[in-house]
Amino acid sequence: QSVLTQPPSVSGAPGQRVTISCTGSSSNIGAGYDVHWYQQLPGTAPKLLIYGNSNRPSGVPDRFSGSKSGTSASLAITGLQAEDEADYYCQSYDSSLSGSNWVFGGGTKLTVL
Amino acid sequence: QVTLKESGPVLVKPTETLTLTCTVSGFSLSNARMGVSWIRQPPGKALEWLAHIFSNDEKSYSTSLKSRLTISKDTSKSQVVLTMTNMDPVDTATYYCARMTTVTNGAVDYWGQGTLVTVSS
Repeated sequence: QSVLTQPPSVSGAPGQRVTISCTGSSSNIGAGYDVHWYQQLPGTAPKLLIYGNSNRPSGVPDRFSGSKSGTSASLAITGLQAEDEADYYCQSYDSSLSGSNWVFGGGTKLTVL
Repeated sequence: QVTLKESGPVLVKPTETLTLTCTVSGFSLSNARMGVSWIRQPPGKALEWLAHIFSNDEKSYSTSLKSRLTISKDTSKSQVVLTMTNMDPVDTATYYCARMTTVTNGAVDYWGQGTLVTVSS
């Protein structure tokens, strides 16, 4: 059971817009810790898509955007392309009485129909 | 060019200790803005953060695995080493080393290719 909750799967047709949610709690996202997003293509290492809630590293298309509100964050992908089919993970930091850890969501598989 | 490369055994037996080495290039392990984490991913499952070492040699461990993990670094060799004791088949996973920087607010900006470790007798 991941500390951050993501939908197991989402899908969309080419050209459409999809969003992936990442729900946390008051000890992680709600505590003000940043959320980061990664894309993982089959058989490869994850790639940074969004850092600091809404910032894109150089080279990441502006079709990808991130937002954060309260105890949740979202990744939006517009103009969906076949090459976007991948697993997506959110990451944040969690600090509670039991300890502090970097934490990941359970991952969301994006299918381009 | 920043690279990280994991090395270590592909197969370990239950109860054995796993030792993985991450060799980095393109940046220094003494750079105050950077640190290295180990992250694993069981086949078909999600990513799990294991441990992190900062430039000042401060260490942080996953709460659930802390008793089994040790992370260390040799700045002169540009290497970060992770040991995990008492390996179990559930520890079968691809193990990644990854760079985190303050520039990206703690996100991983570079990942190693990963190394698959299988735990089996």
